[in-house]
Amino acid sequence: GESVGLHLPTLSVQEGDNSIINCAYSNSASDYFIWYKQESGKGPQFIIDIRSNMDKRQGQRVTVLLNKTVKHLSLQIAATQPGDSAVYFCAENIAGGSEKLVFGKGTKLTVNP
Amino acid sequence: AAGVIQSPRHLIKEKRETATLKCYPIPRHDTVYWYQQGPGQDPQFLISFYEKMQSDKGSIPDRFSAQQFSDYHSELNMSSLELGDSALYFCASSLGTGTGELFFGEGSRLTVL
Repeated sequence: GESVGLHLPTLSVQEGDNSIINCAYSNSASDYFIWYKQESGKGPQFIIDIRSNMDKRQGQRVTVLLNKTVKHLSLQIAATQPGDSAVYFCAENIAGGSEKLVFGKGTKLTVNP
Repeated sequence: AAGVIQSPRHLIKEKRETATLKCYPIPRHDTVYWYQQGPGQDPQFLISFYEKMQSDKGSIPDRFSAQQFSDYHSELNMSSLELGDSALYFCASSLGTGTGELFFGEGSRLTVL
């Protein structure tokens, strides 16, 4: 069925380190993936997206990797800062659908100063 | 830039009461989505509207209903409230162009006592 899961519920890193947040998805029909950042009490905020015809996409300090063979998505944050502390969700969109996104379980990232 | 506006931000109701949440999408966005997020949970898709017509339906209880009006704002009506309905309710909007990027509001926190 449609589901997106995560390997780790929490991740703690030191300021300045690189962070890697992983996500496994199960629907091979998904063709669009997004990483969202959610701070406490706020709505999900778009970070970066990637389409299924790509395997890597870079933004400012963030990189998303997509491995369709094993249905794995990861978010890499370079030089993690305290302001990066939040819950990170991956979400998938299925081709030909209504654009609704199916969210994964979320990873809480804590950046220690 | 204008964002998705939700109201009220906080709402406290008793069991079996009724609640209405409102969502004003980003100007020119024609698609609205409703998500429910329980404590420590990922956002769960409830329902979506495109051009005032229901476009997709998720895990929305029969006690809930929603609609999109001519000005594209949407309302989520919840009746016979239960304790388990306590959650953050997010509205998101998109242009419906197929990009898949949803822009989320700050959410409405419903507490049922």
